[in-house]
Amino acid sequence: QLQLQESGPGLVKPSETLSLTCSVSSGSLFSTSYSWGWIRQPPGKGLEWIGTIMYSGSTYYNPSLKSGVTISADTSKNQFSLNLSSVTAADTAVYYCARHMPQRYCSGGTCYPTGSLDIWGQGTKVIVSS
Amino acid sequence: QSVLTQSPSVSGTPGERVTISCSGSGSNIGSKSVTWYQHVAGKAPKLLLYSNNQRPSGVPDRFSGSRSGTSASLAITGLQSEDEADYYCATWDDSLNGWVFGGGSKLTV
Repeated sequence: QLQLQESGPGLVKPSETLSLTCSVSSGSLFSTSYSWGWIRQPPGKGLEWIGTIMYSGSTYYNPSLKSGVTISADTSKNQFSLNLSSVTAADTAVYYCARHMPQRYCSGGTCYPTGSLDIWGQGTKVIVSS
Repeated sequence: QSVLTQSPSVSGTPGERVTISCSGSGSNIGSKSVTWYQHVAGKAPKLLLYSNNQRPSGVPDRFSGSRSGTSASLAITGLQSEDEADYYCATWDDSLNGWVFGGGSKLTV
Protein backbone atom coordinates (compact mmCIF):
# COMPACT_ATOMS: atom_id res chain seq x y z
CA GLN A 1 0.00 0.00 0.00
CA LEU A 2 1.41 3.33 -1.07
CA GLN A 3 2.23 5.68 1.80
CA LEU A 4 3.06 9.37 1.88
CA GLN A 5 5.01 11.06 4.67
CA GLU A 6 5.45 14.79 5.18
CA SER A 7 8.58 16.16 6.81
CA GLY A 8 9.94 19.57 7.65
CA PRO A 9 10.31 22.11 10.47
CA GLY A 10 7.38 22.49 12.83
CA LEU A 11 8.18 26.12 13.56
CA VAL A 12 8.92 28.86 11.03
CA LYS A 13 9.52 32.54 11.70
CA PRO A 14 7.34 35.19 10.03
CA SER A 15 8.68 36.42 6.67
CA GLU A 16 10.78 33.28 6.23
CA THR A 17 10.18 30.40 3.81
CA LEU A 18 8.25 27.29 4.83
CA SER A 19 9.74 24.19 3.24
CA LEU A 20 8.17 20.75 3.41
CA THR A 21 8.95 17.46 1.70
CA CYS A 22 6.67 14.55 0.93
CA SER A 23 8.27 11.13 0.60
CA VAL A 24 6.43 8.53 -1.47
CA SER A 25 6.98 5.00 -0.22
CA SER A 26 6.87 2.99 -3.40
CA GLY A 27 6.68 3.18 -7.15
CA SER A 28 8.09 5.96 -9.25
CA LEU A 29 6.68 9.44 -8.78
CA PHE A 30 5.59 10.14 -12.34
CA SER A 31 5.81 6.71 -13.95
CA THR A 32 2.07 6.07 -14.17
CA SER A 33 0.71 9.56 -14.84
CA TYR A 34 -0.01 10.39 -11.23
CA SER A 35 0.01 13.97 -10.02
CA TRP A 36 0.84 15.09 -6.49
CA GLY A 37 -0.65 17.83 -4.35
CA TRP A 38 -0.38 19.85 -1.16
CA ILE A 39 -3.36 20.76 1.01
CA ARG A 40 -3.53 22.53 4.36
CA GLN A 41 -5.95 23.05 7.23
CA PRO A 42 -5.52 26.13 9.44
CA PRO A 43 -6.69 25.75 13.04
CA GLY A 44 -10.47 25.75 13.26
CA LYS A 45 -10.88 26.06 9.51
CA GLY A 46 -11.50 23.81 6.54
CA LEU A 47 -9.26 22.18 3.95
CA GLU A 48 -7.51 24.43 1.45
CA TRP A 49 -5.79 23.21 -1.71
CA ILE A 50 -2.34 24.77 -2.10
CA GLY A 51 -1.15 23.36 -5.39
CA THR A 52 -0.31 20.35 -7.54
CA ILE A 53 2.58 19.13 -9.64
CA MET A 54 1.57 16.96 -12.55
CA TYR A 55 3.33 13.94 -14.05
CA SER A 56 4.28 16.28 -16.91
CA GLY A 57 6.01 18.65 -14.50
CA SER A 58 3.33 21.31 -14.93
CA THR A 59 2.29 23.03 -11.75
CA TYR A 60 -0.98 24.59 -10.66
CA TYR A 61 -1.36 26.78 -7.60
CA ASN A 62 -4.19 28.23 -5.58
CA PRO A 63 -4.65 31.76 -6.99
CA SER A 64 -4.93 33.18 -3.48
CA LEU A 65 -1.46 31.83 -2.64
CA LYS A 66 0.13 31.77 -6.08
CA SER A 67 2.82 34.39 -5.71
CA GLY A 68 4.51 32.68 -2.79
CA VAL A 69 4.17 29.01 -3.65
CA THR A 70 6.53 26.65 -5.43
CA ILE A 71 6.06 22.90 -5.78
CA SER A 72 8.86 20.80 -7.19
CA ALA A 73 9.77 17.13 -7.48
CA ASP A 74 12.91 15.05 -7.11
CA THR A 75 12.21 11.82 -8.97
CA SER A 76 15.56 10.31 -7.94
CA LYS A 77 14.44 10.47 -4.31
CA ASN A 78 10.75 9.83 -5.00
CA GLN A 79 9.90 13.07 -3.20
CA PHE A 80 8.07 16.26 -3.95
CA SER A 81 8.35 19.51 -2.04
CA LEU A 82 6.48 22.65 -1.08
CA ASN A 83 8.06 26.06 -0.60
CA LEU A 84 5.89 28.87 0.74
CA SER A 85 7.70 32.18 1.00
CA SER A 86 7.17 35.22 3.23
CA VAL A 87 4.95 33.34 5.65
CA THR A 88 2.73 34.98 8.22
CA ALA A 89 0.74 33.68 11.17
CA ALA A 90 -2.09 32.96 8.72
CA ASP A 91 0.05 30.16 7.25
CA THR A 92 -0.06 28.24 10.54
CA ALA A 93 -1.76 24.97 9.64
CA VAL A 94 -1.55 21.21 9.33
CA TYR A 95 -0.03 20.54 5.91
CA TYR A 96 -0.91 17.39 3.97
CA CYS A 97 0.58 15.90 0.85
CA ALA A 98 -1.58 13.67 -1.31
CA ARG A 99 -1.73 11.76 -4.59
CA HIS A 100 -4.20 12.57 -7.36
CA MET A 101 -5.97 9.75 -9.16
CA PRO A 102 -4.79 9.60 -12.80
CA GLN A 103 -7.91 11.27 -14.25
CA ARG A 104 -7.15 14.52 -16.04
CA TYR A 105 -9.01 17.01 -18.19
CA CYS A 106 -7.31 18.20 -21.36
CA SER A 107 -8.30 21.22 -23.41
CA GLY A 108 -6.43 23.11 -26.09
CA GLY A 109 -3.31 21.06 -25.57
CA THR A 110 -3.20 21.68 -21.83
CA CYS A 111 -4.06 19.01 -19.27
CA TYR A 112 -5.31 19.67 -15.76
CA PRO A 113 -5.13 17.41 -12.67
CA THR A 114 -8.82 16.74 -12.14
CA GLY A 115 -8.36 13.34 -10.50
CA SER A 116 -9.47 13.15 -6.87
CA LEU A 117 -6.85 13.17 -4.13
CA ASP A 118 -7.03 9.57 -3.04
CA ILE A 119 -4.02 8.81 -0.82
CA TRP A 120 -3.00 11.31 1.84
CA GLY A 121 -0.11 11.66 4.24
CA GLN A 122 -0.80 11.93 7.96
CA GLY A 123 -0.09 15.65 7.93
CA THR A 124 2.49 17.80 9.65
CA LYS A 125 1.74 20.77 11.87
CA VAL A 126 3.56 23.99 11.08
CA ILE A 127 3.42 27.00 13.35
CA VAL A 128 4.51 30.42 12.12
CA SER A 129 5.75 32.41 15.08
CA SER A 130 8.75 34.42 16.15
CA GLN B 1 -15.34 32.29 2.13
CA SER B 2 -15.24 28.92 0.35
CA VAL B 3 -16.04 28.61 -3.34
CA LEU B 4 -18.27 25.62 -2.54
CA THR B 5 -20.99 26.13 0.06
CA GLN B 6 -21.87 23.53 2.67
CA SER B 7 -24.05 23.70 5.76
CA PRO B 8 -21.69 24.01 8.73
CA SER B 9 -23.37 21.29 10.73
CA VAL B 10 -25.74 18.37 10.43
CA SER B 11 -26.91 15.88 13.02
CA GLY B 12 -28.77 12.61 13.24
CA THR B 13 -29.45 9.64 15.47
CA PRO B 14 -28.08 6.12 14.98
CA GLY B 15 -29.82 4.31 12.14
CA GLU B 16 -31.11 7.50 10.58
CA ARG B 17 -30.43 8.85 7.08
CA VAL B 18 -28.75 12.23 6.66
CA THR B 19 -27.77 14.27 3.66
CA ILE B 20 -25.06 16.87 3.28
CA SER B 21 -25.36 19.34 0.43
CA CYS B 22 -22.71 21.19 -1.53
CA SER B 23 -23.49 24.15 -3.74
CA GLY B 24 -21.22 25.60 -6.41
CA SER B 25 -21.38 27.16 -9.83
CA GLY B 26 -21.06 26.39 -13.51
CA SER B 27 -17.27 26.54 -13.46
CA ASN B 28 -16.92 23.84 -10.82
CA ILE B 29 -19.76 21.46 -9.90
CA GLY B 30 -21.65 22.42 -13.05
CA SER B 31 -18.86 21.05 -15.25
CA LYS B 32 -16.68 18.72 -13.17
CA SER B 33 -17.37 15.69 -11.03
CA VAL B 34 -17.51 16.01 -7.25
CA THR B 35 -15.39 14.35 -4.60
CA TRP B 36 -16.33 13.81 -0.96
CA TYR B 37 -13.94 13.42 1.98
CA GLN B 38 -14.44 12.27 5.54
CA HIS B 39 -12.10 13.91 8.04
CA VAL B 40 -11.72 12.87 11.64
CA ALA B 41 -9.69 15.30 13.72
CA GLY B 42 -6.07 14.28 14.02
CA LYS B 43 -6.22 11.88 11.09
CA ALA B 44 -5.67 12.18 7.36
CA PRO B 45 -8.76 13.01 5.29
CA LYS B 46 -10.26 9.88 3.77
CA LEU B 47 -11.58 9.68 0.22
CA LEU B 48 -15.24 8.75 0.51
CA LEU B 49 -16.63 9.24 -3.00
CA TYR B 50 -15.13 10.27 -6.32
CA SER B 51 -16.66 11.00 -9.71
CA ASN B 52 -19.85 12.08 -7.92
CA ASN B 53 -20.89 8.65 -6.70
CA GLN B 54 -18.05 6.13 -6.96
CA ARG B 55 -16.90 4.46 -3.76
CA PRO B 56 -13.26 3.44 -3.34
CA SER B 57 -12.68 -0.07 -2.12
CA GLY B 58 -13.54 -0.38 1.56
CA VAL B 59 -16.10 2.42 1.74
CA PRO B 60 -19.46 0.98 2.80
CA ASP B 61 -22.46 1.34 0.50
CA ARG B 62 -24.18 3.36 3.26
CA PHE B 63 -22.42 6.30 1.64
CA SER B 64 -23.77 7.54 -1.68
CA GLY B 65 -23.50 10.69 -3.73
CA SER B 66 -25.30 12.56 -6.46
CA ARG B 67 -24.86 15.68 -8.55
CA SER B 68 -27.48 17.82 -10.27
CA GLY B 69 -26.70 21.08 -12.01
CA THR B 70 -24.44 23.11 -9.76
CA SER B 71 -25.18 21.17 -6.59
CA ALA B 72 -24.15 17.84 -5.13
CA SER B 73 -25.12 15.85 -2.11
CA LEU B 74 -23.77 13.11 0.09
CA ALA B 75 -26.21 10.71 1.73
CA ILE B 76 -25.41 8.50 4.68
CA THR B 77 -27.88 5.80 5.62
CA GLY B 78 -27.91 3.64 8.74
CA LEU B 79 -26.02 6.32 10.64
CA GLN B 80 -23.39 5.01 13.05
CA SER B 81 -21.49 6.72 15.83
CA GLU B 82 -18.25 6.16 13.92
CA ASP B 83 -19.60 8.38 11.13
CA GLU B 84 -19.13 11.42 13.36
CA ALA B 85 -16.63 13.53 11.44
CA ASP B 86 -16.23 16.54 9.19
CA TYR B 87 -17.29 16.02 5.58
CA TYR B 88 -15.92 18.05 2.69
CA CYS B 89 -16.94 18.31 -0.94
CA ALA B 90 -14.31 19.24 -3.52
CA THR B 91 -13.94 19.61 -7.24
CA TRP B 92 -11.85 21.25 -9.97
CA ASP B 93 -12.75 24.81 -10.88
CA ASP B 94 -12.26 25.74 -14.54
CA SER B 95 -12.18 29.48 -13.84
CA LEU B 96 -9.61 29.25 -11.05
CA ASN B 97 -7.67 26.40 -12.67
CA GLY B 98 -7.47 24.71 -9.32
CA TRP B 99 -9.15 22.50 -6.77
CA VAL B 100 -11.75 24.05 -4.50
CA PHE B 101 -13.16 22.67 -1.26
CA GLY B 102 -16.38 23.32 0.57
CA GLY B 103 -16.16 24.78 4.04
CA GLY B 104 -16.95 21.41 5.59
CA SER B 105 -19.99 20.01 7.39
CA LYS B 106 -19.63 18.69 10.92
CA LEU B 107 -21.75 15.57 11.40
CA THR B 108 -22.86 14.84 14.94
CA VAL B 109 -24.37 11.44 15.68
